[in-house]
Amino acid sequence: DGGITQSPKYLFRKEGQNVTLSCEQNLNHDAMYWYRQDPGQGLRLIYYSQIVNDFQKGDIAEGYSVSREKKESFPLTVTSAQKNPTAFYLCASSIVGSGGSLAKNIQYFGAGTRLSVL
Amino acid sequence: AQSVAQPEDQVNVAEGNPLTVKCTYSVSGNPYLFWYVQYPNRGLQFLLKYITGDNLVKGSYGFEAEFNKSQTSFHLKKPSALVSDSALYFCAVRPVSSGSARQLTFGSGTQLTVLP
Repeated sequence: DGGITQSPKYLFRKEGQNVTLSCEQNLNHDAMYWYRQDPGQGLRLIYYSQIVNDFQKGDIAEGYSVSREKKESFPLTVTSAQKNPTAFYLCASSIVGSGGSLAKNIQYFGAGTRLSVL
Repeated sequence: AQSVAQPEDQVNVAEGNPLTVKCTYSVSGNPYLFWYVQYPNRGLQFLLKYITGDNLVKGSYGFEAEFNKSQTSFHLKKPSALVSDSALYFCAVRPVSSGSARQLTFGSGTQLTVLP
């Protein structure tokens, strides 16, 4: 998990509440990602960002929002519109480069945040 | 669209025996292939990758994987399993031709249990 810090480790959300999950990286990576993990479903991409001040929706973006104001930080907000937020959330980062760089294809993950609903 | 199939939700193996975790993929063109491991309540850790070249790829902790283009498979193997190998294993694929950072697709995961 080195280089990517997710906080908090555990988070509880009340109904109707927005909550924000933090993700910080010191790997100098351009790209950052948010995934949701549910049992038996693998990882599903919520949002990703390849550069500061730009981000794109993934496969399950509804009910979530992100910002990318700094290269090191990519916070995820779970809004009240997300009706089933209970899951394990993983942040990752990678190099985005041109040419034959092999390292750009490897994503590095944080330790995750487990979100539950009260 | 690309996809990854891990046909076994659970694999059990005795310590000291060889292990195999299966993965097949579908992608347009040539693939980049990856294996990651996840321990309980932790993020994913990179194990190994196939980019090009030798079909047998060696990675961390004694794991290796064999790329088989005709069978579109990338099975993870280890000659002698350890109890500490017990974890959740994910296969992932992206097409070589993709320039987008998002194009990594993960399988649903296989829980490996090594019995002492």
